[in-house]
Amino acid sequence: EAGVTQFPSHSVIEKGQTVTLRCDPISGHDNLYWYRRVMGKEIKFLLHFVKESKQDESGMPNNRFLAERTGGTYSTLKVQPAELEDSGVYFCASSQGGKLFFGSGTQLSVL
Amino acid sequence: DQQVKQNSPSLSVQEGRISILNCDYTNSMFDYFLWYKKYPAEGPTFLISISSIKDKNEDGRFTVFLNKSAKHLSLHIVPSQPGDSAVYFCAASRTGNNRKLIWGLGTSLAVNP
Repeated sequence: EAGVTQFPSHSVIEKGQTVTLRCDPISGHDNLYWYRRVMGKEIKFLLHFVKESKQDESGMPNNRFLAERTGGTYSTLKVQPAELEDSGVYFCASSQGGKLFFGSGTQLSVL
Repeated sequence: DQQVKQNSPSLSVQEGRISILNCDYTNSMFDYFLWYKKYPAEGPTFLISISSIKDKNEDGRFTVFLNKSAKHLSLHIVPSQPGDSAVYFCAASRTGNNRKLIWGLGTSLAVNP
């Protein structure tokens, strides 16, 4: 069974550019989460989807971040325009009511 | 302000000995606690959890202890193996908040052969 997959694994962009991260959850998992770890800080919750609906987006830093989950399958997280402080590792996780399964993350570097 | 604290950034133990990783929390509303293990370039992997109605949960070599009055939990690994070398994260959540986890900074464990 395939796990949670994230693409790309690494992204290096310049300040002001746009980046889109993708997450494919485990098939059949209704719950999808985005977390972020900024260097030197703890992993922080960004938002939670149940199927295609945003259940909780209280962790989204600001309106430069837009998450979508069309059709309740894969999800994208777009950062536009990117700022230096957006650098970090973005993790996606999915679950079917139980424990979370995490992807390997996308390392985003904004220069 | 951190609600989940792992005050030891790193820990080194000898193979075969016990590893004890500690975690403190400040929010008394937390009622579910988890430990995750993370290898480099991988996502966190669930290890073991404990509900606030228990004070101990055991799974093979891994045991988690919860002291609610002290707002403290610990993860014991015995015996420690070199493959246990990883970063261990403590996380907490509240019932009904759909696994919105609050994380500690992690403790890097090195098990030496």
